[in-house]
Amino acid sequence: EAQVTQNPRYLITVTGKKLTVTCSQNMNHEYMSWYRQDPGLGLRQIYYSMNVEVTDKGDVPEGYKVSRKEKRNFPLILESPSPNQTSLYFCASGAGRGSIPVNNEQFFGPGTRLTVL
Amino acid sequence: SQQGEEDPQALSIQEGENATMNCSYKTSINNLQWYRQNSGRGLVHLILIRSNEREKHSGRLRVTLDTSKKSSSLLITASRAADTASYFCATDLSNTGFQKLVFGTGTRLLVSP
Repeated sequence: EAQVTQNPRYLITVTGKKLTVTCSQNMNHEYMSWYRQDPGLGLRQIYYSMNVEVTDKGDVPEGYKVSRKEKRNFPLILESPSPNQTSLYFCASGAGRGSIPVNNEQFFGPGTRLTVL
Repeated sequence: SQQGEEDPQALSIQEGENATMNCSYKTSINNLQWYRQNSGRGLVHLILIRSNEREKHSGRLRVTLDTSKKSSSLLITASRAADTASYFCATDLSNTGFQKLVFGTGTRLLVSP
């Protein structure tokens, strides 16, 4: 089944404790992206990746890191989480041919609800 | 501020009625997409309309796009309780070959039996 998976689905942590949220897709998509969703603000893009070893900042990248060492995986790293990073996080992927997107539809993971105390 | 703004923020209707949601945006786009999100879950792509298209249909969904007014509407006909969800428009700003989707704040639709 074509899907985007995220782990963990729920996480409660404390300020300053490094954490990683994993994201994996099995559709051989070149494009992957991370969003956070907050009430009243909709979805905001954190980072995106056009292909392996190619990543770039989205609209709200502060406090986050990403890596794209393999095509299928795009982990989101919070080196020193703070309470303002409490949010619902979504990973998404989309098809492309090199740098050209195909159809432009994005497929979303189920979300990771993060609480930073 | 958000590129896409949906209107209304919330909509409550009875089963069988039509639901119309609107989206306004600010800058030129390549295409506009609508997504549905069931409570606390991932977004699901519904329909994409390109900037050179004016109307598109998919099952009970009808999307219109007016680039001169920078607005789009999503019509769900003969709504069902299962249509209860939040609906987001997303404008695709990509102009160099890579995707840049900017999401609005969404419309919460409640369809009562």
